[in-house]
Amino acid sequence: AQTVTQSQPEMSVQEAETVTLSCTYDTSESDYYLFWYKQPPSRQMILVIRQEAYKQQNATENRFSVNFQKAAKSFSLKISDSQLGDAAMYFCAYDRNDKIIFGKGTRLHILP
Amino acid sequence: NAGVTQTPKFQVLKTGQSMTLQCAQDMNHEYMSWYRQDPGMGLRLIHYSVGAGITDQGEVPNGYNVSRSTTEDFPLRLLSAAPSQTSVYFCASSKETPSSYNSPLHFGNGTRLTVT
Repeated sequence: AQTVTQSQPEMSVQEAETVTLSCTYDTSESDYYLFWYKQPPSRQMILVIRQEAYKQQNATENRFSVNFQKAAKSFSLKISDSQLGDAAMYFCAYDRNDKIIFGKGTRLHILP
Repeated sequence: NAGVTQTPKFQVLKTGQSMTLQCAQDMNHEYMSWYRQDPGMGLRLIHYSVGAGITDQGEVPNGYNVSRSTTEDFPLRLLSAAPSQTSVYFCASSKETPSSYNSPLHFGNGTRLTVT
């Protein structure tokens, strides 16, 4: 069974600073997809970034980037120039054969 | 745009009662899924569907039934509610499979269910 582990239940970062959220996963597959989703207090889930396992290049979306280490089964999210609107719960997720499995989440606090 | 609509927003049930959580999307999405969110547990996949007439089990399917008779609707049925099913339930859909490019999951606003 695939599992997704987020080892940091909560993190804080000063506004405008950079923060990295960790995620590891367990799989025996070679072809899969990884995601980071954001859940603000509104509870609406928002896709932040997506990574295909067959691509060695790390995905980036504006201030958000990932460090994808396939051999280590690691998929961390880096948020640069943190903004107050980045405060949310962040979920790492794994997708193989249409089953999207989420980690338990990391709550990110932005300190003004 | 309505997107993914879940009803009701809140529900209180007594142990043993049955009910159906409704989920409808108006985006002609093929893929739909149900998750439950519990404190400290993240989101756990209950059931999912890759198209009308097709459903499959997720991580925690016991105690829940689903059907997908139309593309738009994906109801979740609790046959005999238990206190362990107290949770926030999210329905999500995507145009194709969620791993497809430009096919992110769209989530509803959730249903908070309490079973006493």
